[in-house]
Amino acid sequence: DTEVTQTPKHLVMGMTNKKSLKCEQHMGHRAMYWYKQKAKKPPELMFVYSYEKLSINESVPSRFSPECPNSSLLNLHLHALQPEDSALYLCASSQGTSGGAYEQYFGPGTRLTVT
Amino acid sequence: AQSVSQHNHHVILSEAASLELGCNYSYGGTVNLFWYVQYPGQHLQLLLKYFSGDPLVKGIKGFEAEFIKSKFSFNLRKPSVQWSDTAEYFCAAYSYNNNDMRFGAGTRLTVKP
Repeated sequence: DTEVTQTPKHLVMGMTNKKSLKCEQHMGHRAMYWYKQKAKKPPELMFVYSYEKLSINESVPSRFSPECPNSSLLNLHLHALQPEDSALYLCASSQGTSGGAYEQYFGPGTRLTVT
Repeated sequence: AQSVSQHNHHVILSEAASLELGCNYSYGGTVNLFWYVQYPGQHLQLLLKYFSGDPLVKGIKGFEAEFIKSKFSFNLRKPSVQWSDTAEYFCAAYSYNNNDMRFGAGTRLTVKP
């Protein structure tokens, strides 16, 4: 199984809502990543988890809160988002754990719209 | 600031034409380099990668890329494109010195049948 799955595919939320994005992989990878991708722009790294510990936080606002409950799961908790946070949120995983040094497997993304 | 530059924003080719997409990075020291592709409606997937060794690397679907350290470049090539190569292509670089991973802005390739 070389798949990274993400749920939900689409999410619309108000600025006062709390929601979570979920990512799952069963490839035994020990590094997992969250990226944000705006339309016609490259993915921007947000967080990296290595062996279930947060290893990189790219100065992301605290309204985004990542969580790695186990080696297969990665969540992104959202609270009090702004309309400019609307984007495609991508999850990825890799076998190696050096913050992006290795080939990453990407999920299909969650399309988030903040109203 | 560290960066990855892709100079071609949109490339339009006819089938069977040759392709070269430029990628330059600004990192010093040891880097790992990648080309990822995003076909319409699909997720990002790895096309090829360079870690060390032979600077000419071959990837899937007939793509290859050449690492030229002196030019800080990692250009992607394909001798004869197909309509199915229509996609967005992203170059990415990881710097061991900075523990930093960045993607280029992407190049949209349109292949006309």
